[in-house]
Amino acid sequence: GAGVSQSPRYKVAKRGQDVALRCDPISGHVSLFWYQQALGQGPEFLTYFQNEAQLDKSGLPSDRFFAERPEGSVSTLKIQRTQQEDSAVYLCASSLGGGAAEQFFGPGTRLTVL
Amino acid sequence: LAKTTQPISMDSYEGQEVNITCSHNNIATNDYITWYQQFPSQGPRFIIQGYKTKVTNEVASLFIPADRKSSTLSLPRVSLSDTAVYYCLVGDLSGNTPLVFGKGTRLSVIA
Repeated sequence: GAGVSQSPRYKVAKRGQDVALRCDPISGHVSLFWYQQALGQGPEFLTYFQNEAQLDKSGLPSDRFFAERPEGSVSTLKIQRTQQEDSAVYLCASSLGGGAAEQFFGPGTRLTVL
Repeated sequence: LAKTTQPISMDSYEGQEVNITCSHNNIATNDYITWYQQFPSQGPRFIIQGYKTKVTNEVASLFIPADRKSSTLSLPRVSLSDTAVYYCLVGDLSGNTPLVFGKGTRLSVIA
């Protein structure tokens, strides 16, 4: 079956631009997670949704980062006024449960801010 | 949040068994131990999960001692395609605590 998909796969933005990253989770998966992965580092948690409710956004690095999942399926991570330090791979994962339940990851979006 | 400690890197020859040990001294009663594998330019992939003793699937085995303060991922007869980063995580299934990946162990398999 179809896995988690993310678009775009690559995004280049000029510093100060806004970007929107899309995640299509596996159908029926209640939980959706966003992670940020810098080069050579492990994924770092950004935020977590259960259906349309954002239950945890403690990992969002600043108020420039905003995530939504209005209908409990597709999610969008928006970064306003991008900065060079935002350059990273942004990973989306979905799961039938929360916490340590098996998460299925998408291929990620590589964001480069010039 | 329970933290984990694992070696930064390991090398192995093809055909050997590889054991990657992870320390998690502060593991909580409700925490499970989970391992993920990540290839370059891909998202992590779930390998195995356990609570105590031993778990085995078609890919790997997970050994957990009685005190649960550490765990060992065992990969039998590795091949070049097992070259990847392996992450050890601990967490409960309730969804109340986000998973912490750490830097993982970079396994390089040599022909």
